[in-house]
Amino acid sequence: GQNIDQPTEMTATEGAIVQINCTYQTSGFNGLFWYQQHAGEAPTFLSYNVLDGLEEKGRFSSFLSRSKGYSYLLLKELQMKDSASYLCAALDSNYQLIWGAGTKLIIKP
Amino acid sequence: GAVVSQHPSRVICKSGTSVKIECRSLDFQATTMFWYRQFPKQSLMLMATSNEGSKATYEQGVEKDKFLINHASLTLSTLTVTSAHPEDSSFYICSARGAGESEEQYFGPGTRLTVT
Repeated sequence: GQNIDQPTEMTATEGAIVQINCTYQTSGFNGLFWYQQHAGEAPTFLSYNVLDGLEEKGRFSSFLSRSKGYSYLLLKELQMKDSASYLCAALDSNYQLIWGAGTKLIIKP
Repeated sequence: GAVVSQHPSRVICKSGTSVKIECRSLDFQATTMFWYRQFPKQSLMLMATSNEGSKATYEQGVEKDKFLINHASLTLSTLTVTSAHPEDSSFYICSARGAGESEEQYFGPGTRLTVT
């Protein structure tokens, strides 16, 4: 079956760095997305990786290893507003998004 | 980035009534639109995928006669929850995607439905 695994919850300190991991098993693969979702709001797009390597976008970076079925989202210089759920989603061979359950990130001062 | 609107943002209705939720892509043509449901502290659950001009494809376990989806144009899709029951209370979110299947989905702000 198809499956996305990511930690349920993580805690980090303001100003620090945190890495949220995601492993995936899908029927075919056409890329991996990371979305941010604040409580009570809809998800917002953060990144898309389809090739191996690191994509940097400001304070956020996303990494992909297709051979390992693994991705991570790296958040630097954490701010209180980064407290949110981070959703990992893989695009399968039918271009259907398979969603992880999300990682709730708690930022402490 | 592309903007997707959703209306209404919140709705309270009585059990047995029907509710229509609209999803619009404001600055791009959405070939495909998706409807999700999200219960508190849970991830997104895809309900159905709709392509403009054709019938929606529903996920297993989603009743197509209860959740009516219409995608009449490249900028508008509607979800009608018919004969709503309290267990239908949830956060309903639509997303839209352009022509490219690898393109990101742009999410609407969501609709909080409460059935009393």
